[in-house]
Amino acid sequence: DAGVIQSPRHEVTEMGQEVTLRCKPISGHDYLFWYRQTMMRGLELLIYFNNNVPIDDSGMPEDRFSAKMPNASFSTLKIQPSEPRDSAVYFCASSFGGWTGELFFGEGSRLTVL
Amino acid sequence: SQQGEEDPQALSIQEGENATMNCSYKTSINNLQWYRQNSGRGLVHLILIRSNEREKHSGRLRVTLDTSKKSSSLLITASRAADTASYFCATDESNFGNEKLTFGTGTRLTIIP
Repeated sequence: DAGVIQSPRHEVTEMGQEVTLRCKPISGHDYLFWYRQTMMRGLELLIYFNNNVPIDDSGMPEDRFSAKMPNASFSTLKIQPSEPRDSAVYFCASSFGGWTGELFFGEGSRLTVL
Repeated sequence: SQQGEEDPQALSIQEGENATMNCSYKTSINNLQWYRQNSGRGLVHLILIRSNEREKHSGRLRVTLDTSKKSSSLLITASRAADTASYFCATDESNFGNEKLTFGTGTRLTIIP
C-alpha cells in the first residue's frame, strides 16, 4: 500500500484565498483524522471521521474551516478565507479501529498564507 | 494544555549512547503510544503500550509505563545517526465520551556521529 497520500505538499497563498487540502487514506481504514502542527501549539486534532461520518469537529478553529469525506478513499480540508495565522503543516492520518491502534500519517501539507 | 508533556525538550548525545525521553500525562488512559517525526516528514508509529502493561520492547526501543505516576519513558539503546528526529508520546484522552489521541510537545533528539 502506498500509505496515506496528501496533496499538495506545499501551498503558498495570499490572505483571503480559498485553500483546499486533500487526503487519500489507506485502503480498508475506517478512521480518518486531520491534525495541524505549529511550533506554538504543537499537534492539534481538528476533526475526525469514522466510516466517512464526522464524529468530532470540536478542534476546528473557526467556521472558516470545513472538512468533508465524500467516500472512504478521499477527504478534503478547506479554509475559506485563509488568514496568515492558518500557516501550519496539516496532517492527515488514518487508522483501523480508531484510537486503539496506530495512526498512519501522511507527509503533510505545508501551508503558508501571506 | 497538552495532555502529554515530554522531557527533555531537546537532547543531544553521542552515537552509540542510550537516549531516554520521558512523558507525563494528566488523565486516565487506555493506552500510550510513541511516534517519531523526521524533519519535514509525517509521524511514524513506534510502539503502543496498554494501561495494564508496565514495560514493552521493540528492537532497540524500550518503553515503560507507570500509571500511578502518570508517566512513561522511551529508551533508545545504542543510538544511531538515523535516530535523529523528534519523538512524541500520545495518549487516548477521554472527554465526556469523545475519545481522541492527544500528542505531547515532543523531544528533539540529535545523535552526534
